[in-house]
Amino acid sequence: AQSVTQLDSQVPVFEEAPVELRCNYSSSVSVYLFWYVQYPNQGLQLLLKYLSGSTLVKGINGFEAEFNKSQTSFHLRKPSVHISDTAEYFCAVNSNTGKLIFGQGTTLQVKP
Amino acid sequence: ETGVTQTPRHLVMGMTNKKSLKCEQHLGHNAMYWYKQSAKKPLELMFVYSLEERVENNSVPSRFSPECPNSSHLFLHLHTLQPEDSALYLCASSHALAGGLYNEQFFGPGTRLTVL
Repeated sequence: AQSVTQLDSQVPVFEEAPVELRCNYSSSVSVYLFWYVQYPNQGLQLLLKYLSGSTLVKGINGFEAEFNKSQTSFHLRKPSVHISDTAEYFCAVNSNTGKLIFGQGTTLQVKP
Repeated sequence: ETGVTQTPRHLVMGMTNKKSLKCEQHLGHNAMYWYKQSAKKPLELMFVYSLEERVENNSVPSRFSPECPNSSHLFLHLHTLQPEDSALYLCASSHALAGGLYNEQFFGPGTRLTVL
């Protein structure tokens, strides 16, 4: 069975500092990987996705993620965060049945 | 604006009430989903409709009844709910599950449901 683990439930960081949100997955088949962001009182918005090709994926709002097959990881990074990046971030893997399997989410708290 | 709309955005209901949540997508997709998002828990997939047929029901209690009259609309009918059903209910849509892995889903803003 496939699963997704987000290693940190909360990540506090100061404005303009770099941040990394960690995501590990388990799967015995090829996967497609996603990061979604959820701002307060809103639905989920796609940040970026890995389908194939280059392992470094760039998304919206200056975020990027790197697919590491040997470590089964898909960590999300941003070199300099803004207050407006404060939100809940979800990593997800596409299962071989087409369903999305979500992690438990990481709350990014950007402090001034 | 994501192209997926949900109404109402907020709903308060008693345990004996009957209400319905509505979802509409304007993206030309033919698969739609209901998720439940509770505090401190992962998103729970409730139902999946593909080409207007229910293809997945993840052991959801019968007090939740989905309806998909066409590929653009999805409803969740609620009756005799419990306080623990209070949550954010999210609708999503995508292209149909065609046996492949690619399945990018687009989400609506959700309905915040409170059951008293």
